[in-house]
Amino acid sequence: DAGVIQSPRHEVTEMGQEVTLRCKPISGHDYLFWYRQTMMRGLELLIYFNNNVPIDDSGMPEDRFSAKMPNASFSTLKIQPSEPRDSAVYFCASSPGLAGYSYEQYFGPGTRLTVT
Amino acid sequence: AQSVAQPEDQVNVAEGNPLTVKCTYSVSGNPYLFWYVQYPNRGLQFLLKYITGDNLVKGSYGFEAEFNKSQTSFHLKKPSALVSDSALYFCAVRPEYSGAGSYQLTFGKGTKLSVIP
Repeated sequence: DAGVIQSPRHEVTEMGQEVTLRCKPISGHDYLFWYRQTMMRGLELLIYFNNNVPIDDSGMPEDRFSAKMPNASFSTLKIQPSEPRDSAVYFCASSPGLAGYSYEQYFGPGTRLTVT
Repeated sequence: AQSVAQPEDQVNVAEGNPLTVKCTYSVSGNPYLFWYVQYPNRGLQFLLKYITGDNLVKGSYGFEAEFNKSQTSFHLKKPSALVSDSALYFCAVRPEYSGAGSYQLTFGKGTKLSVIP
Protein backbone atom coordinates (compact mmCIF):
# COMPACT_ATOMS: atom_id res chain seq x y z
CA ASP A 1 0.00 0.00 0.00
CA ALA A 2 1.17 3.55 -0.72
CA GLY A 3 0.32 4.75 2.78
CA VAL A 4 -1.71 7.83 3.57
CA ILE A 5 -1.59 10.30 0.70
CA GLN A 6 -1.98 14.04 1.17
CA SER A 7 -2.12 16.84 -1.36
CA PRO A 8 -0.85 19.38 -1.90
CA ARG A 9 2.42 19.02 0.01
CA HIS A 10 2.86 22.77 0.15
CA GLU A 11 0.30 25.54 -0.15
CA VAL A 12 0.92 29.26 -0.09
CA THR A 13 -2.12 31.50 -0.21
CA GLU A 14 -3.19 34.99 0.64
CA MET A 15 -5.34 35.90 3.59
CA GLY A 16 -9.03 35.59 2.78
CA GLN A 17 -8.63 32.86 0.19
CA GLU A 18 -10.21 29.43 0.44
CA VAL A 19 -7.86 26.53 1.05
CA THR A 20 -8.68 22.85 0.53
CA LEU A 21 -6.46 20.09 1.79
CA ARG A 22 -6.95 16.53 0.59
CA CYS A 23 -6.33 13.11 2.07
CA LYS A 24 -6.56 9.53 0.86
CA PRO A 25 -6.40 7.07 3.77
CA ILE A 26 -4.98 3.58 3.66
CA SER A 27 -7.45 1.21 2.03
CA GLY A 28 -9.51 -0.69 4.59
CA HIS A 29 -8.94 1.74 7.44
CA ASP A 30 -12.18 2.79 9.11
CA TYR A 31 -10.86 5.80 11.01
CA LEU A 32 -9.47 9.05 9.60
CA PHE A 33 -7.94 11.85 11.63
CA TRP A 34 -6.96 15.44 10.83
CA TYR A 35 -4.23 17.07 12.93
CA ARG A 36 -2.56 20.46 12.93
CA GLN A 37 1.05 20.98 14.04
CA THR A 38 2.56 24.31 15.08
CA MET A 39 5.59 25.23 17.12
CA MET A 40 3.45 26.97 19.72
CA ARG A 41 0.69 24.41 20.20
CA GLY A 42 2.32 21.16 19.12
CA LEU A 43 0.15 18.46 17.55
CA GLU A 44 -3.60 19.09 17.85
CA LEU A 45 -6.41 16.81 16.79
CA LEU A 46 -8.94 18.75 14.74
CA ILE A 47 -11.53 16.14 13.83
CA TYR A 48 -11.89 12.43 13.23
CA PHE A 49 -14.22 10.20 11.25
CA ASN A 50 -15.39 6.63 11.62
CA ASN A 51 -16.82 4.99 8.51
CA ASN A 52 -17.06 8.43 6.87
CA VAL A 53 -19.07 9.90 9.77
CA PRO A 54 -17.57 12.69 11.91
CA ILE A 55 -17.22 11.46 15.49
CA ASP A 56 -15.53 14.34 17.28
CA ASP A 57 -14.96 17.79 15.81
CA SER A 58 -14.34 19.57 19.09
CA GLY A 59 -10.81 20.41 18.01
CA MET A 60 -11.88 22.41 14.98
CA PRO A 61 -10.78 25.93 15.90
CA GLU A 62 -13.72 27.87 14.47
CA ASP A 63 -16.41 27.93 11.84
CA ARG A 64 -13.92 28.82 9.15
CA PHE A 65 -12.77 25.21 9.29
CA SER A 66 -14.82 22.36 7.85
CA ALA A 67 -14.07 18.74 7.00
CA LYS A 68 -15.85 16.17 4.92
CA MET A 69 -15.44 12.54 4.07
CA PRO A 70 -17.71 11.76 1.12
CA ASN A 71 -16.42 8.19 0.80
CA ALA A 72 -14.02 5.76 2.39
CA SER A 73 -11.09 6.79 0.23
CA PHE A 74 -11.21 10.58 0.37
CA SER A 75 -11.43 13.42 2.86
CA THR A 76 -11.04 17.17 2.66
CA LEU A 77 -10.23 19.87 5.18
CA LYS A 78 -11.34 23.31 4.07
CA ILE A 79 -10.47 26.71 5.50
CA GLN A 80 -12.59 29.63 4.33
CA PRO A 81 -11.53 32.37 4.66
CA SER A 82 -7.92 31.63 5.56
CA GLU A 83 -5.94 33.78 8.01
CA PRO A 84 -2.20 34.05 8.71
CA ARG A 85 -2.66 32.26 12.05
CA ASP A 86 -3.81 29.18 10.16
CA SER A 87 -0.25 28.70 8.92
CA ALA A 88 0.80 25.25 10.10
CA VAL A 89 1.48 21.72 8.95
CA TYR A 90 -1.72 19.72 8.58
CA PHE A 91 -1.53 15.95 8.90
CA CYS A 92 -3.99 13.30 7.96
CA ALA A 93 -3.81 9.87 9.63
CA SER A 94 -5.80 6.67 9.35
CA SER A 95 -6.28 3.60 11.50
CA PRO A 96 -8.04 0.25 11.33
CA GLY A 97 -11.46 0.00 12.94
CA LEU A 98 -12.95 -1.66 15.96
CA ALA A 99 -11.27 -5.01 15.56
CA GLY A 100 -7.94 -3.21 15.41
CA TYR A 101 -8.38 -0.87 18.33
CA SER A 102 -4.86 -1.55 19.50
CA TYR A 103 -3.49 -0.44 16.17
CA GLU A 104 -1.41 2.67 15.78
CA GLN A 105 -2.36 5.55 13.52
CA TYR A 106 -0.58 5.88 10.19
CA PHE A 107 0.32 9.43 9.24
CA GLY A 108 0.58 11.08 5.87
CA PRO A 109 3.51 13.35 4.93
CA GLY A 110 1.55 16.50 5.78
CA THR A 111 0.60 19.71 3.98
CA ARG A 112 2.59 22.79 4.90
CA LEU A 113 0.19 25.74 4.69
CA THR A 114 1.44 29.31 4.62
CA VAL A 115 -1.10 32.12 4.66
CA THR A 116 0.34 35.55 3.89
CA ALA B 1 -9.32 13.77 30.22
CA GLN B 2 -6.05 12.15 29.29
CA SER B 3 -2.73 13.97 29.10
CA VAL B 4 0.91 13.33 28.27
CA ALA B 5 3.96 15.11 29.61
CA GLN B 6 7.37 15.06 27.98
CA PRO B 7 9.41 17.04 30.50
CA GLU B 8 12.41 17.66 28.26
CA ASP B 9 12.13 19.83 25.18
CA GLN B 10 15.56 18.66 24.04
CA VAL B 11 17.87 15.77 24.83
CA ASN B 12 21.50 15.72 23.71
CA VAL B 13 23.50 12.50 23.73
CA ALA B 14 26.82 11.42 22.29
CA GLU B 15 26.84 8.82 19.56
CA GLY B 16 27.25 5.35 21.02
CA ASN B 17 25.87 6.32 24.43
CA PRO B 18 22.53 5.10 25.74
CA LEU B 19 19.59 7.45 25.33
CA THR B 20 16.38 7.98 27.27
CA VAL B 21 13.43 10.17 26.29
CA LYS B 22 10.98 10.59 29.13
CA CYS B 23 7.20 10.40 29.07
CA THR B 24 4.57 10.39 31.80
CA TYR B 25 0.84 10.10 31.26
CA SER B 26 -2.53 10.51 32.88
CA VAL B 27 -5.57 8.51 31.74
CA SER B 28 -8.65 6.85 33.20
CA GLY B 29 -8.32 3.11 33.31
CA ASN B 30 -5.67 1.14 31.50
CA PRO B 31 -3.53 3.10 29.05
CA TYR B 32 -2.59 2.32 25.50
CA LEU B 33 0.78 4.01 24.95
CA PHE B 34 2.64 4.84 21.76
CA TRP B 35 5.91 6.39 20.62
CA TYR B 36 6.27 8.14 17.27
CA VAL B 37 9.26 9.73 15.58
CA GLN B 38 9.21 12.68 13.19
CA TYR B 39 12.12 13.49 10.90
CA PRO B 40 12.35 16.99 9.40
CA ASN B 41 9.63 17.74 6.87
CA ARG B 42 8.09 14.29 7.31
CA GLY B 43 5.00 12.82 8.91
CA LEU B 44 5.02 10.92 12.18
CA GLN B 45 6.27 7.35 12.03
CA PHE B 46 5.22 4.69 14.51
CA LEU B 47 8.02 3.26 16.68
CA LEU B 48 6.38 1.04 19.28
CA LYS B 49 3.37 0.60 21.51
CA TYR B 50 2.28 -0.86 24.83
CA ILE B 51 -1.16 -2.41 24.98
CA THR B 52 -0.87 -5.18 27.54
CA GLY B 53 1.54 -7.86 28.69
CA ASP B 54 5.29 -7.48 29.12
CA ASN B 55 6.20 -4.06 30.48
CA LEU B 56 9.25 -3.86 28.20
CA VAL B 57 8.28 -3.42 24.59
CA LYS B 58 10.64 -3.44 21.64
CA GLY B 59 10.12 -1.50 18.47
CA SER B 60 11.69 -0.29 15.28
CA TYR B 61 15.34 0.79 14.83
CA GLY B 62 16.48 -0.78 18.13
CA PHE B 63 14.24 1.34 20.33
CA GLU B 64 12.47 0.00 23.38
CA ALA B 65 10.23 1.43 26.07
CA GLU B 66 9.33 0.41 29.58
CA PHE B 67 5.83 0.75 30.93
CA ASN B 68 5.74 1.57 34.64
CA LYS B 69 2.20 1.66 35.96
CA SER B 70 3.05 2.90 39.46
CA GLN B 71 5.00 5.83 38.09
CA THR B 72 2.65 6.31 35.11
CA SER B 73 5.65 6.47 32.85
CA PHE B 74 6.59 5.11 29.44
CA HIS B 75 10.19 6.15 28.79
CA LEU B 76 11.79 5.51 25.41
CA LYS B 77 15.27 4.01 25.42
CA LYS B 78 18.02 2.83 23.13
CA PRO B 79 21.27 1.19 24.28
CA SER B 80 23.51 2.91 21.73
CA ALA B 81 22.50 6.12 19.96
CA LEU B 82 23.15 6.80 16.29
CA VAL B 83 23.46 10.19 14.61
CA SER B 84 20.57 9.13 12.40
CA ASP B 85 18.34 8.88 15.50
CA SER B 86 18.31 12.68 15.69
CA ALA B 87 14.66 13.66 15.30
CA LEU B 88 11.56 14.77 17.17
CA TYR B 89 9.96 12.11 19.37
CA PHE B 90 6.34 12.07 20.49
CA CYS B 91 4.70 10.03 23.21
CA ALA B 92 0.94 9.45 22.95
CA VAL B 93 -1.79 7.86 25.06
CA ARG B 94 -5.39 6.80 24.77
CA PRO B 95 -7.62 4.96 27.20
CA GLU B 96 -8.73 1.38 27.06
CA TYR B 97 -11.53 1.00 24.57
CA SER B 98 -14.85 2.44 25.72
CA GLY B 99 -16.67 3.19 22.49
CA ALA B 100 -15.98 4.88 19.20
CA GLY B 101 -15.16 8.15 20.91
CA SER B 102 -12.17 6.70 22.68
CA TYR B 103 -10.09 6.44 19.53
CA GLN B 104 -8.64 9.88 20.19
CA LEU B 105 -4.88 9.87 20.77
CA THR B 106 -3.40 12.56 23.00
CA PHE B 107 0.17 13.53 22.12
CA GLY B 108 2.90 15.09 24.18
CA LYS B 109 4.64 18.26 23.04
CA GLY B 110 7.56 16.30 21.64
CA THR B 111 11.23 15.99 22.58
CA LYS B 112 13.97 16.92 20.16
CA LEU B 113 16.75 14.35 20.28
CA SER B 114 20.18 15.39 19.06
CA VAL B 115 22.86 12.73 18.77
CA ILE B 116 26.30 14.31 18.63
CA PRO B 117 28.99 12.56 16.57
